[in-house]
Amino acid sequence: KFMLTQPHSVSESPGKTVTISCTRKGGSIAGNYVQWYQQRPGSAPTTVVFEDDQRPPGVPDRFSGSIDRSSNSASLTISGLKIEDEADYYCQSFDDTTVIFGGGTKLTVL
Amino acid sequence: LNLVESGGGLVKPGGSLRLSCAASGFTFSDYTMNWVRQAPGKGLEWVSSISSSRSYIYYSDSVKGRFTISRDNAEDSLFLQMNRLTPEDTAVYYCARLHYDGSGTYYDWFDTWGQGTLVTVSS
Repeated sequence: KFMLTQPHSVSESPGKTVTISCTRKGGSIAGNYVQWYQQRPGSAPTTVVFEDDQRPPGVPDRFSGSIDRSSNSASLTISGLKIEDEADYYCQSFDDTTVIFGGGTKLTVL
Repeated sequence: LNLVESGGGLVKPGGSLRLSCAASGFTFSDYTMNWVRQAPGKGLEWVSSISSSRSYIYYSDSVKGRFTISRDNAEDSLFLQMNRLTPEDTAVYYCARLHYDGSGTYYDWFDTWGQGTLVTVSS
């Protein structure tokens, strides 16, 4: 099995751009699609990016995903930060029959 | 489109609990369903998965042999029977649906989540 490692926390100011990384330990980041979920306090997660770089309907294009084979990592980039983007963000992938989540990153918009 | 979990509560170590997830607004029998949990202040942890026709069932190593996932497609319901509970099982348990495009292709991402039910294991 592989692991997905995320920074514990990131912070940035409103209007700026922030990138959250998700590094795969074991195997290639391109081997399985990566998804990103947003979880606001007290709420269930919602999907902001699926299949590395796709957005579900209703998710603003301020949210974008990518993968980088050289660093074996996926990234979630949020541009034009808003106060409401403050949340926990989780990356997720599949390992054959097992779902793997990253440890989560707390985004503070201050 | 709704998933509503129930059955959480306080249980003593070694005890059992059965969670339910009622689905509505979609053809439940078409979808692979999952349980995902989140311990207080911690991250998301996948627990178990069951395919639409129950052909494929998987568990995380942390619950294998203690938890049993099942479903009733006639009643649009998902279940999780949890036995031999320990304090480490204390968490909010979410049911979550894997995306399906309706024409035979299944995807590896969760497109719908319930609001969760809290399970507390404590003496």
